[in-house]
Amino acid sequence: KQEVTQIPAALSVPEGENLVLNCSFTDSAIYNLQWFRQDPGKGLTSLLLIQSSQREQTSGRLNASLDKSSGRSTLYIAASQPGDSATYLCAHGGSQGNLIFGKGTKLSVKP
Amino acid sequence: NAGVTQTPKFRILKIGQSMTLQCTQDMNHNYMYWYRQDPGMGLKLIYYSVGAGITDKGEVPNGYNVSRSTTEDFPLRLELAAPSQTSVYFCASSYTRVGYSNQPQHFGDGTRLSIL
Repeated sequence: KQEVTQIPAALSVPEGENLVLNCSFTDSAIYNLQWFRQDPGKGLTSLLLIQSSQREQTSGRLNASLDKSSGRSTLYIAASQPGDSATYLCAHGGSQGNLIFGKGTKLSVKP
Repeated sequence: NAGVTQTPKFRILKIGQSMTLQCTQDMNHNYMYWYRQDPGMGLKLIYYSVGAGITDKGEVPNGYNVSRSTTEDFPLRLELAAPSQTSVYFCASSYTRVGYSNQPQHFGDGTRLSIL
């Protein structure tokens, strides 16, 4: 069964700190992995998509890495800001053409 | 661009009532999906469609039905609402099969449904 696990479930940091969110998956044959942001009461916003042929992708203060052999991905957020407070979800493709999601990491950045 | 539009945004139902959650997309996407998200959990696939007239069950289809008569619309029907169906429902669409291409999946803002 394809499973995605995200650790920690919740994280609280002071503003300005660099942080890492972790995602592990059981299917080493994934084609790509995506990171999403979900704000309370809102839908999902795609942040980064890493192809299996890539090791990392960067967008502004965000950097995502992918290691298929170990079944792990990380999302690095530099110089965190209160506006980064949200739930971050990782997901990869499933056998039905859907996305298999982790439960998410709820991030709180305190001013 | 409207993207994926879901209606209603909020709804409270009584046990045993029926309703249809509407989803429409204006991106001419072939693939459409319905997910549900329970508190503190990831999204789970209810039903999906790979094109007009073609639908199939996902991981948690019991208690739901779908239809896909047009490319744009993919409504989700609850026939006999039960408390276990209290959740946030997300509709999504994509041009190709996600996870096997570099095309992203686009999500609506969700429908928050409570069954009392």
